[in-house]
Amino acid sequence: EAGVTQFPSHSVIEKGQTVTLRCDPISGHDNLYWYRRVMGKEIKFLLHFVKESKQDESGMPNNRFLAERTGGTYSTLKVQPAELEDSGVYFCASSQLAGVTLHFGNGTRLTVT
Amino acid sequence: QQQVKQSPQSLIVQKGGISIINCAYENTAFDYFPWYQQFPGKGPALLIAIRPDVSEKKEGRFTISFNKSAKQFSLHIMDSQPGDSATYFCAAPSAGRRALTFGSGTRLQVQP
Repeated sequence: EAGVTQFPSHSVIEKGQTVTLRCDPISGHDNLYWYRRVMGKEIKFLLHFVKESKQDESGMPNNRFLAERTGGTYSTLKVQPAELEDSGVYFCASSQLAGVTLHFGNGTRLTVT
Repeated sequence: QQQVKQSPQSLIVQKGGISIINCAYENTAFDYFPWYQQFPGKGPALLIAIRPDVSEKKEGRFTISFNKSAKQFSLHIMDSQPGDSATYFCAAPSAGRRALTFGSGTRLQVQP
């Protein structure tokens, strides 16, 4: 089976610009997660979709971040406007059962200059 | 909110040696404790996980030991190999959230 795919793999943008990250989960996985790792720290939870519904978005840093999951398939994470502290690696993960056996994509490395 | 404390931050081991990484958690929604392995440029991949109706789980050279009363679990890599050089993350189910909370990672380097 195809794994979790993320696009782009790298993105370099200037402060104030907008960036949209995309995640395609494993087919049939209802649970989709976004995580972020900043400068060697922990992989931090951002939000959790079950199908097309946001189950938990308590980890989203602020209202500059907007996540969507159209039709319960792929998901996008938009950062608008980007700030310097948004730099990091954004991971998407999917699973069949919530909170168990998460499959991660290779991440998007975002650099805001 | 769940916190998972992982140590050490980095670890250098000689080939053939034992690598030990420790994690401690606060609260958990249910008993499921995975370890993930991440190579540069890749996403974390599930290495081994334990559901603690047992105190230890072994898969090949990798063993998880779990101490429920102390709220601690550890990863042991026996006969460490240079190919094991990677970053390792422990995780625990987040209390009140159907997601995993991860530790800060341990960068393991196995020297030939």
